[in-house]
Amino acid sequence: DIVMTQSPDSLAVSLGERATINCKSSQSVLYSSNNKNYLAWYQQKPGQPPKLLIYWASTRESGVPDRFSGSGSGTDFTLTISSLQAEDVAVYYCQQYYSTPLCSFGQGTKLEIK
Amino acid sequence: QVQLQESGPGLVKPSQTLSLTCTVSGGSISSGSYYWSWIRQPAGKGLEWIGRIYTSGSTNYNPSLKSRVTISVDTSKNQFSLKLSSVTAADTAVYYCARAGIVVVAYDYWGQGTLVTVSS
Repeated sequence: DIVMTQSPDSLAVSLGERATINCKSSQSVLYSSNNKNYLAWYQQKPGQPPKLLIYWASTRESGVPDRFSGSGSGTDFTLTISSLQAEDVAVYYCQQYYSTPLCSFGQGTKLEIK
Repeated sequence: QVQLQESGPGLVKPSQTLSLTCTVSGGSISSGSYYWSWIRQPAGKGLEWIGRIYTSGSTNYNPSLKSRVTISVDTSKNQFSLKLSSVTAADTAVYYCARAGIVVVAYDYWGQGTLVTVSS
């Protein structure tokens, strides 16, 4: 099984500042035949289901603000919010779909305003 | 706009079977381009994939739950369902139904979730 580990578990950032969340997979999620990383990021606000932000590690879902960006390859990935807005307070999860059908999520990173 | 809505009992007794249904609107569950999945989240914890079904009826389950899980589809009602048998308090969670693409197996549409509590 691929284990996804996020860091930090929680993070406090000032409004307008950059927020960076890391995700590490226990094995590579880069599929060599198409050079794609099978990695997605989600945002979950209290009382709501997760919302897909990014897939293929760096492709923004339609309608997601461009302050959200994803990077990384292989086993190490990063979600960056370039300028934190109040509405970005949430828990963020990474998910691998390399080992589909069995996918796995990170434990989540709670993002708050400093 | 695709919408998913979970329904079912919010309270299940230990050792009984949890049964939930997800109704899909705004799109056909028979489109063939998606997997229809169940994911759960215990209070204050992370997300656990339970399993999925394709329109053909083909299923895949999380090995940790496989012996207790059955997912089925009713294309005539545009619904898919979850049954989890022999439940314990550890199965108490918010249960989500969700849609994932067959190429990008990320979840782009989710239901609002339904809390199922296992208690006598």
